[in-house]
Amino acid sequence: QVQLVESGGGVVQPGRSLRLSCAASGFTFSSYTLHWVRQAPGKGLEWVSFISYDGSNKYYADSVKGRFTISRDNSKNTLYLQLNSLRAEDTAVYYCARARSGGSNYCDAFDIWGQGTMVTVSS
Amino acid sequence: EIVMTQSPATLSVSPGERATLSCRASQSVSSNLAWYQQKPGQAPRLLIYSASARATGIPARFSGSGSGTEFTLTISSLQSEDFAVYYCQQYNNWPPSITFGQGTRLEIK
Repeated sequence: QVQLVESGGGVVQPGRSLRLSCAASGFTFSSYTLHWVRQAPGKGLEWVSFISYDGSNKYYADSVKGRFTISRDNSKNTLYLQLNSLRAEDTAVYYCARARSGGSNYCDAFDIWGQGTMVTVSS
Repeated sequence: EIVMTQSPATLSVSPGERATLSCRASQSVSSNLAWYQQKPGQAPRLLIYSASARATGIPARFSGSGSGTEFTLTISSLQSEDFAVYYCQQYNNWPPSITFGQGTRLEIK
């Protein structure tokens, strides 16, 4: 079935790095823009970044710009998020999500979500 | 940045009754508005997109309305499984922009 599965979360010290992965299955991965959304404990949803279906366009929230890097490997049906210079305020569950309509509709409703992976930044 | 404001923060409703949740945008988002349901420990689930279109598999008791800056999610007859947190989200393709509201917690009265 159509699904996204995140991995790579964990506990990391401030200033260190982490790479998250999101493995997709059940749909034509290379046709869809993908996003990362995070949720701090007990808080709401915060959009983090997106990458277009072909990897040519990437955008970031101001809160992570210059520290996080989004990428994808369409041959492996996998999305990535490289998290550098981590801060305590980056502590959150990180979800990958699919933009509903595919193609060049980069920003759209998110119809498929992964189960999330927890990132804890603490000394 | 477009700010999305949801009201109320918490809504207490009895099963079988109607629930009305509101979402306001700081500037017009046309009909680029989605609603999500999130239960504890779960990922959000898409309910409504394009302000009023139900996502695949979403029951007819969920409906969305509005355009521009004012939007409403209505649940016509609450079932036990509907008690959750609901988020609105605006999305604009160019320039790229995505923001969520702070959420409305729908609880059993």
